[in-house]
Amino acid sequence: SQTIHQWPATLVQPVGSPLSLECTVEGTSNPNLYWYRQAAGRGLQLLFYSVGIGQISSEVPQNLSASRPQDRQFILSSKKLLLSDSGFYLCAWSGGAIGYTFGSGTRLTVV
Amino acid sequence: AQTVTQSQPEMSVQEAETVTLSCTYDTSESDYYLFWYKQPPSRQMILVIRQEAYKQQNATENRFSVNFQKAAKSFSLKISDSQLGDAAMYFCAYRENTGNQFYFGTGTSLTVIP
Repeated sequence: SQTIHQWPATLVQPVGSPLSLECTVEGTSNPNLYWYRQAAGRGLQLLFYSVGIGQISSEVPQNLSASRPQDRQFILSSKKLLLSDSGFYLCAWSGGAIGYTFGSGTRLTVV
Repeated sequence: AQTVTQSQPEMSVQEAETVTLSCTYDTSESDYYLFWYKQPPSRQMILVIRQEAYKQQNATENRFSVNFQKAAKSFSLKISDSQLGDAAMYFCAYRENTGNQFYFGTGTSLTVIP
């Protein structure tokens, strides 16, 4: 069966520090992968999605970037975090009509 | 652009009663998928139910059912015999048949009153 792993679960980082969140999928090949951000009490904002290795689409211009170095690995990064980057980050994969399967999320607090 | 609207930011229901959460969407496509996701306090997103637009029959999963009105572009979720564990944020989502992206509503926070 397919599983998705996302880490870390919680992260507190100072302003200006770098960021790296990792997401990996098991049990499937060539998945569509997504990064979402959810601000407190709000809906989901699509940040990036990828349909294959090295293929990244950005939905929102921002301080973040994404990379897909391997088929089942999706990384969200920042060189210098801003206070406004705080939020709950969710990775997801899509295998078609079954909808998204989400990771357990990362709560990022920038201080 | 496709939009998904959930007009009820908050809802409450008495335990064992029935509640309906509303969702409307805007699209010019004829073939697409609709979903309801549940996000409990743990914030793990869980797929509750999905509906294929080409199917006229409303989807049902145990106590969860939908009322899909394609012409009206409406996709409501009915929760029967509400339980305390149903308390969560519920998100409606849309995806085109050939698209890569899901479009989410802003969510409805459901409280279940014991």
